[in-house]
Amino acid sequence: SQKIEQNSEALNIQEGKTATLTCNYTNYSPAYLQWYRQDPGRGPVFLLLIRENEKEKRKERLKVTFDTTLKQSLFHITASQPADSATYLCALDPGFQKLVFGTGTRLLVSP
Amino acid sequence: NAGVTQTPKFRVLKTGQSMTLLCAQDMNHEYMYWYRQDPGMGLRLIHYSVGEGTTAKGEVPDGYNVSRLKKQNFLLGLESAAPSQTSVYFCASTGLQETQYFGPGTRLLVL
Repeated sequence: SQKIEQNSEALNIQEGKTATLTCNYTNYSPAYLQWYRQDPGRGPVFLLLIRENEKEKRKERLKVTFDTTLKQSLFHITASQPADSATYLCALDPGFQKLVFGTGTRLLVSP
Repeated sequence: NAGVTQTPKFRVLKTGQSMTLLCAQDMNHEYMYWYRQDPGMGLRLIHYSVGEGTTAKGEVPDGYNVSRLKKQNFLLGLESAAPSQTSVYFCASTGLQETQYFGPGTRLLVL
């Protein structure tokens, strides 16, 4: 069956450190993968998109990698801040302009 | 630009009652989606639309109906609400780019 897996346990890190979140998938061959941020009581907000022919994408303190052989994406936040505390969702495209979402990983950045 | 708006923000229903959730977007997007989000389950696609007058089933369509009479609006209907439909409902839209823009969500409690 098709699955997207994100670590369901919260990730706790200290301010200033790099946070690394993992998204693994099975039985998909997505053309691209996306990462969203969701704050409590709000809808997800798009962060980054990476295509299957791209190994890495950066936006300010954010970096995403995409390994189609390992079927894995890594999401990095460098120099993390307490304001980065949120749930981060990965999503991939199974086709037809639809997205399938992982369950998300909660990130807590302590001062 | 208001982006994606949802009405109502919160609703309590009794089992068997019906209601309609309204989603509106002012970005001239072709594609619109309805998701539900439950603890530990992530976002699951209920129904979606690829253009005015079209609708299609997503992953969990049972118990819901939708209509897209106008390009900017996507309605989600519950004909006979059940406690299993207690959830947070999100609407999203997308244009030519693949990223989805989400509304703030509707919290529904079915007693």
